[in-house]
Amino acid sequence: NAGVMQNPRHLVRRRGQEARLRCSPMKGHSHVYWYRQLPEEGLKFMVYLQKENIIDESGMPKERFSAEFPKEGPSILRIQQVVRGDSAAYFCASSQRTGSYYNEQFFGPGTRLTVL
Amino acid sequence: GNSVTQMEGPVTLSEEAFLTINCTYTATGYPSLFWYVQYPGEGLQLLLKATKADDKGSNKGFEATYRKETTSFHLEKGSVQVSDSAVYFCALRESVKTSYDKVIFGPGTSLSVIP
Repeated sequence: NAGVMQNPRHLVRRRGQEARLRCSPMKGHSHVYWYRQLPEEGLKFMVYLQKENIIDESGMPKERFSAEFPKEGPSILRIQQVVRGDSAAYFCASSQRTGSYYNEQFFGPGTRLTVL
Repeated sequence: GNSVTQMEGPVTLSEEAFLTINCTYTATGYPSLFWYVQYPGEGLQLLLKATKADDKGSNKGFEATYRKETTSFHLEKGSVQVSDSAVYFCALRESVKTSYDKVIFGPGTSLSVIP
């Protein structure tokens, strides 16, 4: 059973370009979370999605950032018109289901975005 | 709001030394507490967890006890190995009933173990 997959692992963009980060959850997982890790900082929650639905995007910047998790295919985190401050590691996690007890989130290896 | 504070790193230890990484939290209600580990170039892995006061989580020789009176969840290991070199994150799951598992992470503590 493959783990959470993210691609690309490294992405370089110039200011003003668009960045697309992909996440394929573990088999059988229908919940996806995106986190951002700035240099020397912990992970900050960005958005939580289920298939075709955004459940919580309270951690996502209001402008330039968007996320989707279509019925078919990977989850996509899109950053438009990137700026240097967007340089970070972006981690995706997936879990099997929600409930009254903790369902472990399994993390992908991350995409390291560098904006020149 | 809820938050997690960890001791600042980097921490450098000799092999077989005793490890403590302090973690304290601020939360309403009764959160669940976790330690995650991130090896170089990889994503985070759940190391151990505790879901209620006085619970002790343990895995791979690491331990942490949920102390509600001091709002702490310090990570300990009696004898570290070079392979334990990684970044360690303390985290909590909010206890407020939500429809999902929202996790708040601390800033991480980098550990280097030298032979």
